[in-house]
Amino acid sequence: GAVVSQHPSWVICKSGTSVKIECRSLDFQATTMFWYRQFPKQSLMLMATSNEGSKATYEQGVEKDKFLINHASLTLSTLTVTSAHPEDSSFYICSARAPNSGETQYFGPGTRLLVL
Amino acid sequence: DQQVKQNSPSLSVQEGRISILNCDYTNSMFDYFLWYKKYPAEGPTFLISISSIKDKNEDGRFTVFLNKSAKHLSLHIVPSQPGDSAVYFCAASNFAGNTPLVFGKGTRLSVIA
Repeated sequence: GAVVSQHPSWVICKSGTSVKIECRSLDFQATTMFWYRQFPKQSLMLMATSNEGSKATYEQGVEKDKFLINHASLTLSTLTVTSAHPEDSSFYICSARAPNSGETQYFGPGTRLLVL
Repeated sequence: DQQVKQNSPSLSVQEGRISILNCDYTNSMFDYFLWYKKYPAEGPTFLISISSIKDKNEDGRFTVFLNKSAKHLSLHIVPSQPGDSAVYFCAASNFAGNTPLVFGKGTRLSVIA
């Protein structure tokens, strides 16, 4: 299947700092990527849809000024958690659809964020 | 309101036996369904999918069955292996463009040797 990478795989930061997470499609171009968040023992929660060259579409309840998304190219989307607080600690996962794969999304390995 | 439901949070099966994971959905607009497998601290891995024009899709040890009238799908794994132990997520979508997947809460499968 198609390969999606994320960087970093985990990060620990102090409260109040900003953290950037990168999502890359390695062997295909993705006009749309999705950002999910997973709390322990819970399902994946869609945060936003990242569209190349345009603004991201955020789900209800997700603060767009808190979680900045930039889809600068067809292979890269970034999620920046601004002024992170301990409650932002979570597992963040991105996904993308590869051309000719229908509705199948391929997921990155995830980024674990711990805010102290 | 949860559109995709996995009512069994966990399932234990003996090695070699069949594992059956169930999923129900409420949105009749869904026409494409997927199963993902997820290990802790990793991203989900795509397993198998089925479109609404089919009622069965098979790939090796994995078979997905779709009952549109009941809005129900299931994933069968046979024979189950210890390496199958993971959380399995059911997801649904429709072909209306770049729409995100809607996930169930997952079922934790434990295959006991």
